[in-house]
Amino acid sequence: KNQVEQSPQSLIILEGKNCTLQCNYTVSPFSNLRWYKQDTGRGPVSLTIMTFSENTKSNGRYTATLDADTKQSSLHITASQLSDSASYICVVSETSTGGGNKLTFGTGTQLKVEL
Amino acid sequence: DVKVTQSSRYLVKRTGEKVFLECVQDMDHENMFWYRQDPGLGLRLIYFSYDVKMKEKGDIPEGYSVSREKKERFSLILESASTNQTSMYLCASSVAGYGYTFGSGTRLTVV
Repeated sequence: KNQVEQSPQSLIILEGKNCTLQCNYTVSPFSNLRWYKQDTGRGPVSLTIMTFSENTKSNGRYTATLDADTKQSSLHITASQLSDSASYICVVSETSTGGGNKLTFGTGTQLKVEL
Repeated sequence: DVKVTQSSRYLVKRTGEKVFLECVQDMDHENMFWYRQDPGLGLRLIYFSYDVKMKEKGDIPEGYSVSREKKERFSLILESASTNQTSMYLCASSVAGYGYTFGSGTRLTVV
């Protein structure tokens, strides 16, 4: 069964500090991996998307890495800000025929940035 | 930017009521999806559609139906709402399985 596991489940850091969120998956055949940020009560917003051949991608202070061999990804947040407080969701897409790849969602890491 | 609009942010309905959740996207995407999100369970796919009048069941279709009469609109229908359908509902659209965009979500409470 395809699975996406994220760790830690929750994290509290001080403003200005860096942090790294982890995502391990067993989805096959792999198409791409995305990280989303979801503010409380809102829909997820895409941060990065990586295909099999990409091992790092940045979006401002967010940097995602992908190791397709070990099926692991990480999201590194640099110089955290209060507005980074949100749930971060790892989503892995499975290649399928007939259009519209099947997505498997992690349950997210809840990040809180404090003063 | 692609915009996916869900008609209601918050909704309170009574058990047994028929509930319609509407979703509209403005970028001519072929694919549209309905998910529900519950604490500790992540997002789970209810139904999806690859074209007008076309629909396929996702992982948890029981108690739901959908309608796609126009390409830009994908409706989720709860035929007879129950308390276990209290959840956050998220609509998404994409083209060729790439670049999913989510709506802001509808938090439905069934009392």
